[in-house]
Amino acid sequence: GIQVEQSPPDLILQEGANSTLRCNFSDSVNNLQWFHQNPWGQLINLFYIPSGTKQNGRLSATTVATERYSLLYISSSQTTDSGVYFCAVEWPASKLTFGTGTRLQVTL
Amino acid sequence: NAGVTQTPKFRVLKTGQSMTLLCAQDMNHEYMYWYRQDPGMGLRLIHYSVGEGTTAKGEVPDGYNVSRLKKQNFLLGLESAAPSQTSVYFCASSYGIAGGYNEQFFGPGTRLTVL
Repeated sequence: GIQVEQSPPDLILQEGANSTLRCNFSDSVNNLQWFHQNPWGQLINLFYIPSGTKQNGRLSATTVATERYSLLYISSSQTTDSGVYFCAVEWPASKLTFGTGTRLQVTL
Repeated sequence: NAGVTQTPKFRVLKTGQSMTLLCAQDMNHEYMYWYRQDPGMGLRLIHYSVGEGTTAKGEVPDGYNVSRLKKQNFLLGLESAAPSQTSVYFCASSYGIAGGYNEQFFGPGTRLTVL
């Protein structure tokens, strides 16, 4: 099956810092999603991004499908950004395969 | 719009007991999914449905059954619960446009403990 690897596995930031999270995948995929799982366990959709770049406030994402990776940028981090960030690829068709996540802690 | 809802939110079972988890969506989505999340891991697909009356196996289907009698509902059953099924269960749904827009939206999860 497809392999989805996320890095770094853990990240500690001070409030206001910027960060880049990476997602590598081992095969061609139809689509890619980024999620934030907050400390209460809720999964929040961040981006649906099969290719290209999208921005939503302090967050932006870029997927380079031909090179099989995606990046999530968090700027001016806040404590509410803490949690686990997952990328998930649509492979095989219509089904998501999740990475193991990046655990982010933002401190004051 | 409630989106995707799940009941119950928490449940504790004894080994060998049975239960059903209910997922409902009000977005008129064709596709629905059940995932499980174990500590420190991403989600893994248990079963899914591409339309009313259809079901199919995912990555980890053993010990579970599902039914999709109505388009808006997707039920996950455990016939004889085992401690290995202690997990958080998430339901999701999507439009299911083949080769096209297929963003999945998730419910809040059900935390199940099997003693």
